Amino acid sequence: QKEVEQNSGPLSVPEGAIASLNCTYSDRGSQSFFWYRQYSGKSPELIMFIYSNGDKEDGRFTAQLNKASQYVSLLIRDSQPSDSATYLCAAQTGNQFYFGTGTSLTVIP
Amino acid sequence: GAVVSQHPSWVICKSGTSVKIECRSLDFQATTMFWYRQFPKQSLMLMATSNEGSKATYEQGVEKDKFLINHASLTLSTLTVTSAHPEDSSFYICSARLQGMETGNTIYFGEGSWLTVV
Repeated sequence: QKEVEQNSGPLSVPEGAIASLNCTYSDRGSQSFFWYRQYSGKSPELIMFIYSNGDKEDGRFTAQLNKASQYVSLLIRDSQPSDSATYLCAAQTGNQFYFGTGTSLTVIP
Repeated sequence: GAVVSQHPSWVICKSGTSVKIECRSLDFQATTMFWYRQFPKQSLMLMATSNEGSKATYEQGVEKDKFLINHASLTLSTLTVTSAHPEDSSFYICSARLQGMETGNTIYFGEGSWLTVV
């Protein structure tokens, strides 16, 4: 079983809609969780991190963490074509960071 | 966010030669840096974890004699691809771990280096 799992997609949403990206992790000892965005041909960039149960909002992005279910999600409100990218979920356990394989998101104008 | 700089962004080298890629944390000290490789349309593959002042920890299947990693200071780690072959052509990305009171452990990525071996 992989440490972090994501649906590879592709996920397509119309412009202005809410995009919902999901991630599960296997190690209950994981402490912090991260969402990165990666455009094609570029390196990942940090969107936000979360370490407490519940929701964390930053602009159009909301990260949700449910430690009991070992589930992390990222909601993107008012999706824009510029949000089209691969979204990587990562879990930190001790000194290690485990990445999912990423979900490809396409926002259709 | 924190800045991690990677150099060069693009490099073309001849088969059999060696190439060095640098990764610098510009505004923080990083005791731990990570090196990844990514082939087109594939996910990140962790190659090794680089710890300042000690030997790197390589992932299974990664040849330590081929991919030499040096983390001589708290702001610089280097990856040297030795005796490069065309199959080593890939996107190499480094990341550095920032330890902060508010952020906990967060990693930031360099811009990546495209290596083409001809």
